[in-house]
Amino acid sequence: AQSVTQLGSHVSVSEGALVLLRCNYSSSVPPYLFWYVQYPNQGLQLLLKYTSAATLVKGINGFEAEFKKSETSFHLTKPSAHMSDAAEYFCAVTPNFGNEKLTFGTGTRLTIIP
Amino acid sequence: SQTIHQWPATLVQPVGSPLSLECTVEGTSNPNLYWYRQAAGRGLQLLFYSVGIGQISSEVPQNLSASRPQDRQFILSSKKLLLSDSGFYLCAWREKTGALTDTQYFGPGTRLTVL
Repeated sequence: AQSVTQLGSHVSVSEGALVLLRCNYSSSVPPYLFWYVQYPNQGLQLLLKYTSAATLVKGINGFEAEFKKSETSFHLTKPSAHMSDAAEYFCAVTPNFGNEKLTFGTGTRLTIIP
Repeated sequence: SQTIHQWPATLVQPVGSPLSLECTVEGTSNPNLYWYRQAAGRGLQLLFYSVGIGQISSEVPQNLSASRPQDRQFILSSKKLLLSDSGFYLCAWREKTGALTDTQYFGPGTRLTVL
C-alpha cells in the first residue's frame, strides 16, 4: 500500500526565510506525488505534482519540490517565506498504475513569523 | 471553466439526526467524484468515490453512505449521526482522461459539528 509521512505537524519560519516542509513516501513502485495547500476553512488547492518526468518540480506561488528516489522523499521548499504562505500543506501519493485514489499525509501547518 | 459547489458550508446537528451533504460539479461531464473527511490532526480520509451514476465505492466501513443520482451530483448521507462524524467534509472531482496524472479538484468543504 502507498503511504506518505509528513514530518512536523507544525512549522514556523520568519518572513523572508527558507520554507522546508518534509514528505517521505512508501511505495513498492515509483509513485506519483502531489503537494496541496489548504487555507483556513477552504478546500485544497494543488501546488505541484511529480509524474515521473523532471525530478525538480516547480509549482505555484514560488514553491518547488524535488523527487529523490534514494531518500524516498518529496520535500517542499520556497526560498523566501511570505505572510500569505501561512496555511496547511498536504503531501499525497498515488501509484502509477490504474488507481483512482490519493493517499494523503496528516498535514503540516505553516506559520510565518513577521 | 469547471466549478465545484458544496452545501451547506456549515452545519450543526444533534446526535442521532440524519445528514445530507450535497456536491455538484459544473463545466465537465462524467467526472470521477470523491468524498473525503478531514478530522483534526488526521489528514484527509477518503470515504467514497464514484466513477459513474449509481456506482459507489466505499473505502471505510462507517455510519455514512453516498449516492450519485445524476452525473455531476454526489450526496453524502447518514441516517443517524454520531459524535465521531464531526469534521470537515470535502468533495472532489477528477476528469476521466485515463491519465493518472490528472488532478483532483476540491470543493470549499462543509464543516459539520455533531453535538
